[in-house]
Amino acid sequence: NAGVTQTPKFRILKIGQSMTLQCTQDMNHNYMYWYRQDPGMGLKLIYYSVGAGITDKGEVPNGYNVSRSTTEDFPLRLELAAPSQTSVYFCASSTAGYGYTFGSGTRLTVV
Amino acid sequence: GENVEQHPSTLSVQEGDSAVIKCTYSDSASNYFPWYKQELGKRPQLIIDIRSNVGEKKDQRIAVTLNKTAKHFSLHITETQPEDSAVYFCAASIYGGSQGNLIFGKGTKLSVKP
Repeated sequence: NAGVTQTPKFRILKIGQSMTLQCTQDMNHNYMYWYRQDPGMGLKLIYYSVGAGITDKGEVPNGYNVSRSTTEDFPLRLELAAPSQTSVYFCASSTAGYGYTFGSGTRLTVV
Repeated sequence: GENVEQHPSTLSVQEGDSAVIKCTYSDSASNYFPWYKQELGKRPQLIIDIRSNVGEKKDQRIAVTLNKTAKHFSLHITETQPEDSAVYFCAASIYGGSQGNLIFGKGTKLSVKP
């Protein structure tokens, strides 16, 4: 039981490039989330999903897209990377919003 | 939407002392209040949580209290140890249905001095 797995752990992007952050969970959780954490700050919700085929925007969705084709996977897509997207990204999953399990994070730098 | 305020932003205590971190929330429909501990460079980890039908919950040296009327909840750590040093986040959500999204406070950096 691996829990929530995120790849890559680190990435440097140039302004304008695109990339996909991968997230997969093996706990059969219906709910999945993407958060970003800026230095010295709390976690801000980017997008969330309550089940396969269902996604919705969180607090800070601009510049990101998500998809949820299976229960296990919830990739986050960055289009046209900007320096403001430099952050640590955490994927999480839960059972109906209770008892979140976080992945180990992806540290992204846009230069 | 929900808004969670957390205080203080930094807290320094001597080993063995108690530490208290306070949070307030805005949405009276919120019914789930977890606390997370995040060590430097690591993922947030759940340390204790409370649901709105309970006023207090304890787990060894850690306790959480909830005042639904005042819409605030607090984390209490007794007999602090150096390994308690970390950033602590409170959060609130409406669990179940389509609104199980945790909204986090900005965090409290706790330093426990030996």
